Amino acid sequence: KNQVEQSPQSLIILEGKNCTLQCNYTVSPFSNLRWYKQDTGRGPVSLTIMTFSENTKSNGRYTATLDADTKQSSLHITASQLSDSASYICVVSRAAGTYKYIFGTGTRLKVLA
Amino acid sequence: DGGITQSPKYLFRKEGQNVTLSCEQNLNHDAMYWYRQDPGQGLRLIYYSQIVNDFQKGDIAEGYSVSREKKESFPLTVTSAQKNPTAFYLCASSIIGGNGNTIYFGEGSWLTVV
Repeated sequence: KNQVEQSPQSLIILEGKNCTLQCNYTVSPFSNLRWYKQDTGRGPVSLTIMTFSENTKSNGRYTATLDADTKQSSLHITASQLSDSASYICVVSRAAGTYKYIFGTGTRLKVLA
Repeated sequence: DGGITQSPKYLFRKEGQNVTLSCEQNLNHDAMYWYRQDPGQGLRLIYYSQIVNDFQKGDIAEGYSVSREKKESFPLTVTSAQKNPTAFYLCASSIIGGNGNTIYFGEGSWLTVV
């Protein structure tokens, strides 16, 4: 079964601290993996996208990693800011099949001052 | 600016009413999607379309209907048959094919039953 699991479900950190969010998937055949940021009541916005051959991708203070062998990805946020408070969604695309995008349930991050 | 426009942002539905959520994109994408998001849950696919005048059911299509008369437009109708329609609805679009294409989302529409 094609699934994407994220952990933790929610996370609270202090401003300025780092954090790492996890994404494990069992999607096959794999095409690419994206991390999205979703502010409350808004649409998700893409942070990074990685294909099979990419191990690391950065976007400012966001760094995503991908281990295609273990089917795991992480999103590391450096020097967190209050504006990082949001849900972070891992999305894996299939290379074939009817349902192309498989969504995780997200990690809700709260950054406190 | 290129993007996806959803309207209205907030919509209230009375029992037994049909309501339609609008979705327009100017990204020239062939594929369009409707997702439902409930609090604390992941996105669930309602319907998707890969070409004009054609669309396919997703995981939770019951009580919903769509049309794709134009490439740019993919409206979603929430019918009275949908017994629990209160949710956040997201429209999205993407190109078809390729290895690195991204799915883009609109800003969402809140639907509440009153």
